Amino acid sequence: DIVLTQSPDSLAVSLAERATINCKSSQSVLYSSNNKNYLAWYQQKPGQPPKLLFYWASARESGVPDRFSGSGSGTDFTLTISSLQAEDVAVYYCQQYYSTPQTFGQGTKLEIK
Amino acid sequence: EVQLVQSGPEVKKPGESLKISCKGSGYSFTNYCIAWVRQMPGKGLEWMGNIYPSDSYSDYSPSFQGQVTISADKSISTAYLQWTSLKASDTAMYYCARHESTGAFDIWGQGTMVTVSS
Repeated sequence: DIVLTQSPDSLAVSLAERATINCKSSQSVLYSSNNKNYLAWYQQKPGQPPKLLFYWASARESGVPDRFSGSGSGTDFTLTISSLQAEDVAVYYCQQYYSTPQTFGQGTKLEIK
Repeated sequence: EVQLVQSGPEVKKPGESLKISCKGSGYSFTNYCIAWVRQMPGKGLEWMGNIYPSDSYSDYSPSFQGQVTISADKSISTAYLQWTSLKASDTAMYYCARHESTGAFDIWGQGTMVTVSS
């Protein structure tokens, strides 16, 4: 199974400051035949289902604010929030859909400092 | 509007059976897969398996193989997750989610809370 390890486990950032969450995969999720990284990012607020933010590692889902960005390739990926807003408080998960069983990172809890 | 609507919360006793549902609307149900994801209280997300409603082919995580059954009825655009004998450790929120055959989960159900307690 592919293991995804997120860092940090929790993060406190001041409003309007940058937040960065990392996701490291135990093996590459880059499919060479189409040059796509099978990696997604989700945001989960308390009492709600997860919400897709990015797919193919960096393709922003419709409606996601552009202060959010996804980057990386192969085994190392990053979710960045350029200017943290109060509504961004949530748990963030990365997920690989390169192979089954699909797996998620353990989650990163983002709070306001 | 594209949506997945799940059945309501359940409270069961150990050893009882259960089948929860996930109904898709606003899109062609057979053009997408449905995955099931478990979230135990205060914990992270776990992929249980998925199903292709077009032919009912299902795939399971080894952690859940033999513990649950995933099925679908394409005539009513509904997928199911079933247990034959619940355990206390099955207490969790269960989400269904839509995805293309190789794709991220773009639409999620609201979740079904299953509580198993004697």
